[in-house]
Amino acid sequence: DQQVKQNSPSLSVQEGRISILNCDYTNSMFDYFLWYKKYPAEGPTFLISISSIKDKNEDGRFTVFLNKSAKHLSLHIVPSQPGDSAVYFCAASGNSGGSNYKLTFGKGTLLTVNP
Amino acid sequence: SAVISQKPSRDICQRGTSLTIQCQVDSQVTMMFWYRQQPGQSLTLIATANQGSEATYESGFVIDKFPISRPNLTFSTLTVSNMSPEDSSIYLCSVLGTGSTTVSYEQYFGPGTRLTVT
Repeated sequence: DQQVKQNSPSLSVQEGRISILNCDYTNSMFDYFLWYKKYPAEGPTFLISISSIKDKNEDGRFTVFLNKSAKHLSLHIVPSQPGDSAVYFCAASGNSGGSNYKLTFGKGTLLTVNP
Repeated sequence: SAVISQKPSRDICQRGTSLTIQCQVDSQVTMMFWYRQQPGQSLTLIATANQGSEATYESGFVIDKFPISRPNLTFSTLTVSNMSPEDSSIYLCSVLGTGSTTVSYEQYFGPGTRLTVT
C-alpha cells in the first residue's frame, strides 16, 4: 500500500516554462512534506518543504503548494532550466515533535527540461 | 547541511556473502538513517541508528539481515548479510538536518552505495 504516490513517471518541458510535479498521499497523519531532487549516481538533495499548517512555501524558483483536503501537493519550478533535469521525489512525514522521523517517499518523477 | 560520504560507492557481490557499507558525516549528528532503493521503487527506510543504543528497524527489516553499528556521532555502518539477488539496491544513509525552526524534519543524504548481487 503506497502512501505517497507520484502518478507521473516522467515529465518533459521546455526551458523557461513552468514545471509542475504532482504528489498525492493517503495517510492523514502526515503533517510535513518535502521535495528532493536526485541526479544519477548521487544521493537525493533536499529542495523545499512545507508544514501542514501552511498551504504554500516559496524558495526562489521553487514553490510547493499543499491542498490538505485533497491530500495533494505540487512542486512548481519557474522558470525551468536544463539543469533542473533530474528525478524529483515527494516525501512525507507524520511526526508531531516526536522521535520518529521516518520519511515515506513516492517513486519519483523524471523531469526533463529541453533547451 | 552536513557533508556525508559512503563507502563503497558500488560493489558486485556473490550470493551468500555479506557487505558492510560505511557512512561518515563531517559533523556530529544525533540521528542517522539507512534507506534502500530497489530498482524502480521508492526509497524505503530500513532503520534508524542512534549512538549508544540499538538501531530501530522498520517493519520488514530485521537485525540479523541488516545489522547496524553506530559507534560515535559521526559514523555508522550497515551490513547486508547472506545476500541474495533481491538485495540488489542502492543503499543510502541520511542524517537529520538542524534548521532554524523549532522542528526540522529535513534529512540529508549520502551519495549511496549501489549493490549488485549475482
